[in-house]
Amino acid sequence: AQSVAQPEDQVNVAEGNPLTVKCTYSVSGNPYLFWYVQYPNRGLQFLLKYITGDNLVKGSYGFEAEFNKSQTSFHLKKPSALVSDSALYFCAVRDKDAGGTSYGKLTFGQGTILTVHP
Amino acid sequence: EAQVTQNPRYLITVTGKKLTVTCSQNMNHEYMSWYRQDPGLGLRQIYYSMNVEVTDKGDVPEGYKVSRKEKRNFPLILESPSPNQTSLYFCASSLLAGGMNTEAFFGQGTRLTVV
Repeated sequence: AQSVAQPEDQVNVAEGNPLTVKCTYSVSGNPYLFWYVQYPNRGLQFLLKYITGDNLVKGSYGFEAEFNKSQTSFHLKKPSALVSDSALYFCAVRDKDAGGTSYGKLTFGQGTILTVHP
Repeated sequence: EAQVTQNPRYLITVTGKKLTVTCSQNMNHEYMSWYRQDPGLGLRQIYYSMNVEVTDKGDVPEGYKVSRKEKRNFPLILESPSPNQTSLYFCASSLLAGGMNTEAFFGQGTRLTVV
């Protein structure tokens, strides 16, 4: 099975500073990677996804992610953090369903709480 | 507007009282699934469905049932809820035919407390 890991439970940054939320992956075959954000009392919102061949992926709200095959990482970045970016962030990878019939499942990391201080 | 709608958003119930959480999507997606979110564990798949009348167990199916009688609806049923099913639940849908880099769309979540 595929897996992703988010090594930091929490990340704290000051507003205006760059932010990085880390994700590493373990897959067999090509990785299909995603980032989602969860604001308080809201559902998961899609931020961006890895497209084969593009090592730097741009997404919503000014976020981008850098795919590094040699380090098996897909870190989420933003050049200048906003207080409104404070949320729970999940990295995810496409995976085979338990029944083995399709690759519709997303396997998630444990999540990283991002707090941006004014 | 493309969306996945779950109801209710919040639910407190007692052990053993059957309940249903509804989920509906308006994007004509074939694939739908239910996840539960628990602190430190991320989201784990409970059940999934590849199309009408095709459902299968996910990674944590014990204590849950689902049905898929129409393409847009995918209710989650807890026949006899127990306190260990207290969690935040998400319904998701995606376009299987779009390939593996197609993103999933999630509902707003249902926070269930079983006392």
